[in-house]
Amino acid sequence: EVHLVESGGGVVRPGGSLRLSCVVSGFTFEEYGMSWVRQAPGKGLEWVSGISWNGGSTGYADSVKGRFTVSRDNAKNSLYVQMNSLRAEDTAFYFCARVRGPDYSYYAMDVWGQGTTVTVSS
Amino acid sequence: EIVLTQSPGTLSMSPGDRVTLSCRASQIVINSYLAWYQHKPGQAPRLLIYDASRRATGIPDRFSGSGSGTDFTLTISRLEPEDFAVYYCQQYGNSPFTFGPGTKVDIE
Repeated sequence: EVHLVESGGGVVRPGGSLRLSCVVSGFTFEEYGMSWVRQAPGKGLEWVSGISWNGGSTGYADSVKGRFTVSRDNAKNSLYVQMNSLRAEDTAFYFCARVRGPDYSYYAMDVWGQGTTVTVSS
Repeated sequence: EIVLTQSPGTLSMSPGDRVTLSCRASQIVINSYLAWYQHKPGQAPRLLIYDASRRATGIPDRFSGSGSGTDFTLTISRLEPEDFAVYYCQQYGNSPFTFGPGTKVDIE
C-alpha cells in the first residue's frame, strides 16, 4: 500500500526556518515527481513546490520563491522542503503529494500524505 | 500565472441529485492539463479526474470531467452521501500550478 508521511511541522517565529520531511513507501520513489501543497486556515489549496524524479528540475509558487527549497533523497525515499524567512502567511497545513509521472509538471497529484501543521507566530 | 475561477462557491444539494461544477481559466490550459480533487475536512485531498476527463484509479463512474481550453466541468451524476465535500480544480500545465478557490457541495 502506498503511504506518504509528513513530519517536521511546528511553531516558529517570523523570520525563522523549518524543514519538512515526507517519507514514502509502497512505490518506487525514484520514478515519480513530487510536490508540496499547503492549505492556510480557512483557505483553499495552494501548490507550493515541485521536484522531478531525480531532483534535476524544481519549481516554486511565487509566494515562496527564494525562501523555500525543495529537495529529495531517493536512497532514503524522502522528500524535503527547507523553509526560510518564514512569514505569518506561511502558516498552513502542508501536504506532500506524488505526481503521476517523472516530472512535477504535466501530471496531476494522485497520492497525498495526511499533512503536517506549520504555525508562524511571535 | 493562470487564475482559475470556480462556480458556484457553494451548492446545496440532496443525495441523488446531479451536480455540475464549473472551472474557468484565465488562459488556455495547455493539453487540458486540468485535474479535479475532492477534499474533506481532516483528510488528504483525493484525485478524481486528471487531464480534464480521465478518471483516476478507483474513482466511481458517477464522476466525470469534460472541457478544454479555458472551460472545464466536473459532473457527479448522482450524489452519494460521501460526496459532500469541497471540490477543487487545478491546472498543471503552466508553472506555478494553480488551484481554483473550490466549490463546497453541502447537504440541502
